[in-house]
Amino acid sequence: GAVVSQHPSWVICKSGTSVKIECRSLDFQATTMFWYRQFPKQSLMLMATSNEGSKATYEQGVEKDKFLINHASLTLSTLTVTSAHPEDSSFYICSARDPGPSYTFGSGTRLTVV
Amino acid sequence: AQSVAQPEDQVNVAEGNPLTVKCTYSVSGNPYLFWYVQYPNRGLQFLLKYITGDNLVKGSYGFEAEFNKSQTSFHLKKPSALVSDSALYFCAVRPLNYGGSQGNLIFGKGTKLSVKP
Repeated sequence: GAVVSQHPSWVICKSGTSVKIECRSLDFQATTMFWYRQFPKQSLMLMATSNEGSKATYEQGVEKDKFLINHASLTLSTLTVTSAHPEDSSFYICSARDPGPSYTFGSGTRLTVV
Repeated sequence: AQSVAQPEDQVNVAEGNPLTVKCTYSVSGNPYLFWYVQYPNRGLQFLLKYITGDNLVKGSYGFEAEFNKSQTSFHLKKPSALVSDSALYFCAVRPLNYGGSQGNLIFGKGTKLSVKP
């Protein structure tokens, strides 16, 4: 079946630094990927839709300059959290539309900003 | 507004008993419907989906769900629960008439399933 690889699984960074999270579709091409944020005991909140070769579409209230998304190839999308602050600490999950048609999710990244 | 409702924050079931996790939706058109399971600090794992056809959909790990168009529901069921089924379950829909969105899923808030021995 379709597989999406996301890494790192967890990362701790200092306040003010930037962190990059990668999301790769391993056995299919994903023209569209989605980035979610999940707070403890809550549902997934869509942050942005990543489109290969074009600018990402951000949801209302999500700072595009803070959460940089790049989808340079059909198998890779990256989310960079710039100038991270403790309030950015969260669980970030990517998803790709697969040929199912369905959606395959990465294993998530636990970001802790200290 | 389009939405997905999972009315129960938590469902408690004894091992071996049947389980039901409820989901209703409010979207335009005929959506695609999904169930996912999430274990702690993990991404979402696909269980099953309804696109078209038979209203009863069978999925992974013995789970099934029944699409009821008149009640706009897509409840998840399993005849005999296992302790290992304990996890967080998400219902999601992809509206086919999704306007300006790009085909993303709309999620319910999730239901924590606890299966006791």
